[in-house]
Amino acid sequence: EAQVTQNPRYLITVTGKKLTVTCSQNMNHEYMSWYRQDPGLGLRQIYYSMNVEVTDKGDVPEGYKVSRKEKRNFPLILESPSPNQTSLYFCASSSNSRIEQFFGPGTRLTVL
Amino acid sequence: KNQVEQSPQSLIILEGKNCTLQCNYTVSPFSNLRWYKQDTGRGPVSLTIMTFSENTKSNGRYTATLDADTKQSSLHITASQLSDSASYICVVSTIYNQGGKLIFGQGTELSVKP
Repeated sequence: EAQVTQNPRYLITVTGKKLTVTCSQNMNHEYMSWYRQDPGLGLRQIYYSMNVEVTDKGDVPEGYKVSRKEKRNFPLILESPSPNQTSLYFCASSSNSRIEQFFGPGTRLTVL
Repeated sequence: KNQVEQSPQSLIILEGKNCTLQCNYTVSPFSNLRWYKQDTGRGPVSLTIMTFSENTKSNGRYTATLDADTKQSSLHITASQLSDSASYICVVSTIYNQGGKLIFGQGTELSVKP
């Protein structure tokens, strides 16, 4: 089944403790992206990747890192999480950036 | 500034009724416009995607229209069902950095009541 998977789905952590949210897709998509969704603000793009080893900042990249070492995986790294990074995070992928994106199920992160 | 604005913010309708959601955008250059449905706590799911030359596209009971001249789009839902209760997000894609960049609207929260 074609899908985008994210892990973990739920995470509660404390300020400053490094964490990684994994994202994997099995559709051989070149384009992958991370978003955060907050009440009243809608979806905002954090980082995106046009292809392996190619990443670029979205609208809200501060406090996040990403890597794209292989096509199927696009992990989101929070080196030193802070409470303002408490949010619902979505990973998405598509064949290219101009067509329909497939979204993962979301990761709800709480930073205390 | 590239922006996508949706109206209304929220809408309550009775089951079986029709409704229309609006999306106005100021995005340039324009690549395409998408409508997504997002159930609470889940990832958005694509309903339609339209390019500059398309002015209407249907997906079952969902019909999207696009007026590229006025930079407006609408999503019409026919014979609403309880399962249509969700957030509907308008997304406009612009050409950026040899690829595309998505500009998201804040969504319209639709509630369908029995």
